[in-house]
Amino acid sequence: DADVTQTPRNRITKTGKRIMLECSQTKGHDRMYWYRQDPGLGLQLIYYSFDVKDINKGEISDGYSVSRQAQAKFSLSLESAIPNQTALYFCATSDPGTVTGELFFGEGSRLTVL
Amino acid sequence: EDKVVQSPLSLVVHEGDTVTLNCSYEVTNFRSLLWYKQEKKAPTFLFMLTSSGIEKKSGRLSSILDKKELFSILNITATQTGDSAVYLCAVEGGSGNTGKLIFGQGTTLQVKP
Repeated sequence: DADVTQTPRNRITKTGKRIMLECSQTKGHDRMYWYRQDPGLGLQLIYYSFDVKDINKGEISDGYSVSRQAQAKFSLSLESAIPNQTALYFCATSDPGTVTGELFFGEGSRLTVL
Repeated sequence: EDKVVQSPLSLVVHEGDTVTLNCSYEVTNFRSLLWYKQEKKAPTFLFMLTSSGIEKKSGRLSSILDKKELFSILNITATQTGDSAVYLCAVEGGSGNTGKLIFGQGTTLQVKP
């Protein structure tokens, strides 16, 4: 089983619909992140959370909201989806105590907004 | 504004060739530079570099950081078709111990048989 699990893996929706992408992790990490990936733009940080009571905006938070329901769960919502939110979304976790500082990514959620 | 720029954006080589991927950065309070490999799904970690001039190696892959000139290179020798992927460079920096990574656009490498 994956350590960082995202659902759904693929979703097609229409403009104006509310969408939620969910992320759960079994790594026991406090830090969780949501990134968006578009072709040619790398990964851009949407929101990040250091613990259940700590939520922070990233580079491109407009049009998105998040909820940290528990240490292991971090969900991303699009209140009213628009076509330019079509992208591949990644959830990630990290442990500030590790030497490498690496992020551990989920498998990604591909969202298409028509 | 903090930024990470990778070059080239795409590269096509034949098996056995050696490739060098570049990553330059302008990031306040630099802490580390990381390389990831992304095939069809999630990025997987390759290296983390924090000190200038110290090469990290893993098999045919190696990487080095120059903190004076603000860049890093990732070398892949004797390339194989399995090396085909997007290679992402990311820099941790900014204020506080945030763990936020600023990513470059990625370099898409295609290795032909």
